[in-house]
Amino acid sequence: EIVLTQSPGTLSLSPGERATLSCRVSQSISSSYLAWYQQKPGQAPRLLIYGASNRATGIPDRFSGSGSGTDFTLTISRLEPENFAVYYCQQYGSSPWTFGQGTKVEIK
Amino acid sequence: QVQLQESGPGLVKPSETLSLTCTVSGGSISNYYWSWIRQPPGKGLEWIGYIYYSGSTNYNPSLKSRVTISVDTSKNQFSLKLSSVTAADTAVYYCARVRRIADYWYFDLWGRGTLVTVSS
Repeated sequence: EIVLTQSPGTLSLSPGERATLSCRVSQSISSSYLAWYQQKPGQAPRLLIYGASNRATGIPDRFSGSGSGTDFTLTISRLEPENFAVYYCQQYGSSPWTFGQGTKVEIK
Repeated sequence: QVQLQESGPGLVKPSETLSLTCTVSGGSISNYYWSWIRQPPGKGLEWIGYIYYSGSTNYNPSLKSRVTISVDTSKNQFSLKLSSVTAADTAVYYCARVRRIADYWYFDLWGRGTLVTVSS
């Protein structure tokens, strides 16, 4: 089973700051098989990025994804109040599909 | 606009079978993969399995012995059965559509989720 390790566990930032979230994968995967989701309390996750770097429909360009192999990054260039949430990476490269444990982006 | 809605009992007794249905509205269930994901309270996400509209399935090995996912194209629904449940199966259960375009796979649509509690 492929393990995804996200860091940091919690990121405390102020609106307007840049957020950089890491997702490390236990074995190399094609970037096609890495996605990022945002989850707010009481809501279902929402797709942000697929294929490591492709923004989903309606996702603003302050969200960007990058990386390859075993190291992937989600960057939020300038945090808006609605961006404070938990973010999960997920891999589809090998069954079982697995998620990272999440990074919580909280208001400092 | 395609929407997903989970339905089923919110309380299941230990050792019994959890049964949930996801109804797809606003679009066809055909030509897509459909999946179940769960999230224990305060914890992360766990993929349970998926089904193609034609009926082929893929399950998480950690749950495979207890899970059955089925599809009813005539009703535009797919379902989850999880047998021999314990308190560890208490979670919010989500249904989701799997989008597969070329090499890309991702969950592009999610239901709102339904909390299932296992307790006597």
